Amino acid sequence: TQLLEQSPQFLSIQEGENLTVYCNSSSVFSSLQWYRQEPGEGPVLLVTVVTGGEVKKLKRLTFQFGDARKDSSLHITAAQPGDTGLYLCAGGATDKLIFGTGTRLQVFP
Amino acid sequence: NAGVTQTPKFQVLKTGQSMTLQCAQDMNHNSMYWYRQDPGMGLRLIYYSASEGTTDKGEVPNGYNVSRLNKREFSLRLESAAPSQTSVYFCASSLRMNEKLFFGSGTQLSVL
Repeated sequence: TQLLEQSPQFLSIQEGENLTVYCNSSSVFSSLQWYRQEPGEGPVLLVTVVTGGEVKKLKRLTFQFGDARKDSSLHITAAQPGDTGLYLCAGGATDKLIFGTGTRLQVFP
Repeated sequence: NAGVTQTPKFQVLKTGQSMTLQCAQDMNHNSMYWYRQDPGMGLRLIYYSASEGTTDKGEVPNGYNVSRLNKREFSLRLESAAPSQTSVYFCASSLRMNEKLFFGSGTQLSVL
């Protein structure tokens, strides 16, 4: 069974702080997607990484896919209250997409 | 742009009752999915339809049935609701299987 573990589960920080969220597995994935979900809404795709070692930046968010394509990280610089939400990683395998359990981030003004 | 529309937004059922959750997408996507989301368990795939005319079981299909009515619509039916089916249900669609999913806003279902 392929599992994606995310850490930390919960994170509460002040506006302006930096943070990193991790997504780890013992399995190799062909791609890794990151979604953000706000309360009462469905997840929204932020980015897809497909190459081992790949780094993608989306404004203050930096996504990295591990060299072995088993893990990924999301780094947020100078977090803002608008970054509050549930962050989900999802690993693409041959015929399935496996979602992690999520990291719930709250950024206080 | 409507994207993925699912109804209803909220539903309360008694054990044993049946209901159908409706989902429609207007992006001409080939693949559609039904997920359930429970605290601490992430998103789990119930059923999916890789393309119009096909449906397949996901990770947790027991107690559910689906119909891909046409390319736009994919419904999820609970024939005899159980308290274990209390959850938030999401419909999603994508142009290609498992790539860039677009989600609806969810249905919060409580089974008493």
